Formats: sequence, C-alpha cells, structure tokens
Amino acid sequence: GAGVSQSPRYKVAKRGQDVALRCDPISGHVSLFWYQQALGQGPEFLTYFQNEAQLDKSGLPSDRFFAERPEGSVSTLKIQRTQQEDSAVYLCASSRLNNPYNEQFFGPGTRLTVL
Amino acid sequence: QKEVEQNSGPLSVPEGAIASLNCTYSDRGSQSFFWYRQYSGKSPELIMFIYSNGDKEDGRFTAQLNKASQYVSLLIRDSQPSDSATYLCAVNFLNTGNQFYFGTGTSLTVIP
Repeated sequence: GAGVSQSPRYKVAKRGQDVALRCDPISGHVSLFWYQQALGQGPEFLTYFQNEAQLDKSGLPSDRFFAERPEGSVSTLKIQRTQQEDSAVYLCASSRLNNPYNEQFFGPGTRLTVL
Repeated sequence: QKEVEQNSGPLSVPEGAIASLNCTYSDRGSQSFFWYRQYSGKSPELIMFIYSNGDKEDGRFTAQLNKASQYVSLLIRDSQPSDSATYLCAVNFLNTGNQFYFGTGTSLTVIP
C-alpha cells in the first residue's frame, strides 16, 4: 500500500515568508508526528496528533510554528515569518496505533531552505 | 543535556565483518527502543525494535538492550556495502507521550 507522502519535497522561501508543508499519513493510522532534522543531526520531535487531537506540541520551537490535522488524516505544518534557522528537513511520520510500542513510518520529508 | 547519545562515527568495517553500533540514553524511565537506517537524502526506515532486556535477532541484525546500564546496541553480521548508511537510535521515554527521541546517528561505511 501507499506509504507516507509529503509535499512539497523541496521548498525555498525568502526570509519572512510563510510556508505550509503537507503530510498524508498511511490510511487508517491514528498517530501522526512531525520532526525537524537539521543537517548531520537526528530528527527532533515537534508535535504529534492522535486523530484530530494535538496531544503534544512541546517541541515546536516558537509560536511561528503551527500544525493542524482537522479531519484526523492529512496534516499541515505551517511556519510563519520564516527565519534562516528554520532551514531543515521536516519529516512526517505516522503510526497505526496510539502507543509507544508502534513503529513510526516516515515520509520522504520536505527540505526547507530559507534565504 | 541530550537524551539519547550515539557516537557519530564514521565507523568503517570491511565487507563480511561485524558492525557494532552503540546508543546510551539518559536516566529516565524508558519503554521502547528502535533502530532506524537512513540513507543519504532519504527518510529513516525501521531496522529493529526491542522492548525487553536481552538480545533480539532478525536475520543479520541483533539488537541488545540493557536497561540497568541504559544501553542499547545494534550488531550487523556479515556487513555488506549496501549497509552503508546512518543508523539512528530512537527511544520512547515513559510519560513523554508517544514521540521518539533520536540520537544524532552513527555513520557506517562498509568497505568492499
């Protein structure tokens, strides 16, 4: 079946622009996670959803970051007034159940470059 | 203070040898441990998971967990050039939700 998909795959933004990154999880997966991966680093947690409920957003670096999953399926990560330090790969992952023992399946990521 | 620590490498082993990848995690309750492989420019893909102390084998891969020592490792037997990638250790900590905490990854190169 289809895996996790993300769009766009690459995004170049000028500093101060707003961007929206989309994630389509595996159909039927309850949990959806967003991670940020800087070059040479491991993924860092941003936020996660159980269905449409955002259960934890403690990893969002500032109030410029906002995520939603209004119908419990597709999710959007929005970054307002982008800064150069926002440049990274944004990974989306989904998990079939809402428990810590479930594998997370990752999408290909969106590489964001802020000029 | 980092929650999950890995030696960034690079680690180089000859083809056919055993590659040993190590991961330590901070002194907190922990529940589940995952090893992901990430090829350059690609997304992480699951290699193995382990929940209980001891060894778990899957083909050429063996995961070892020692919760008392806060240590989890991945052994790759009969290493192949196609195993060359970055290996990420991921940990779920008790009472932190279901998110994973990742190490920085260990870069492995298998030399033909």
